[in-house]
Amino acid sequence: TQLLEQSPQFLSIQEGENLTVYCNSSSVFSSLQWYRQEPGEGPVLLVTVVTGGEVKKLKRLTFQFGDARKDSSLHITAAQPGDTGLYLCAGAGTASKLTFGTGTRLQVTL
Amino acid sequence: DTGVSQDPRHKITKRGQNVTFRCDPISEHNRLYWYRQTLGQGPEFLTYFQNEAQLEKSRLLSDRFSAERPKGSFSTLEIQRTEQGDSAMYLCASSLEFPGPGTEAFFGQGTRLTVV
Repeated sequence: TQLLEQSPQFLSIQEGENLTVYCNSSSVFSSLQWYRQEPGEGPVLLVTVVTGGEVKKLKRLTFQFGDARKDSSLHITAAQPGDTGLYLCAGAGTASKLTFGTGTRLQVTL
Repeated sequence: DTGVSQDPRHKITKRGQNVTFRCDPISEHNRLYWYRQTLGQGPEFLTYFQNEAQLEKSRLLSDRFSAERPKGSFSTLEIQRTEQGDSAMYLCASSLEFPGPGTEAFFGQGTRLTVV
């Protein structure tokens, strides 16, 4: 069974602060995806990383895939209240079925 | 194409009743997935289809649950004799078949089920 652990589970920060969310597994994934989900809505895809060591930037968000393709991180610079939500990492295995992480709930306050 | 569509968005039902949810995937996507998500948790895999074939079912999918994708397009998820523990958000997602960036899964807005 492929498991993805995310840390921290909860994060409450003030606007303008930086933060990093981690996604770790003992399994290798062919690709890893990050989603953000708001209450009552489905997850919305932010990025997909495929190559070990890959770094992708999406405005203030920086995503990194570990060299061994077992872990990933999401770094947010100068967080804004609009970044508030549940951040989910999800790994795609050989069958391309997604396995989701436990989620990180982010609260950004003014 | 407006993305993955789920219907209904919300369903309240009495314990013991049957419910059916529908998912319309992105039209060119071969794969369709059903997930269940309880409050504060990440989605848990239930089952997935490649075209009309149901390729995998989770142990979470008890005998009361059945999913179909008869023509390889839309899918339905039926829960028979609902129990309070079935209360959750049921998410549908679709993706292309091959590995790599094409396996990005796009989710619908979900169906929130409340069993009273």
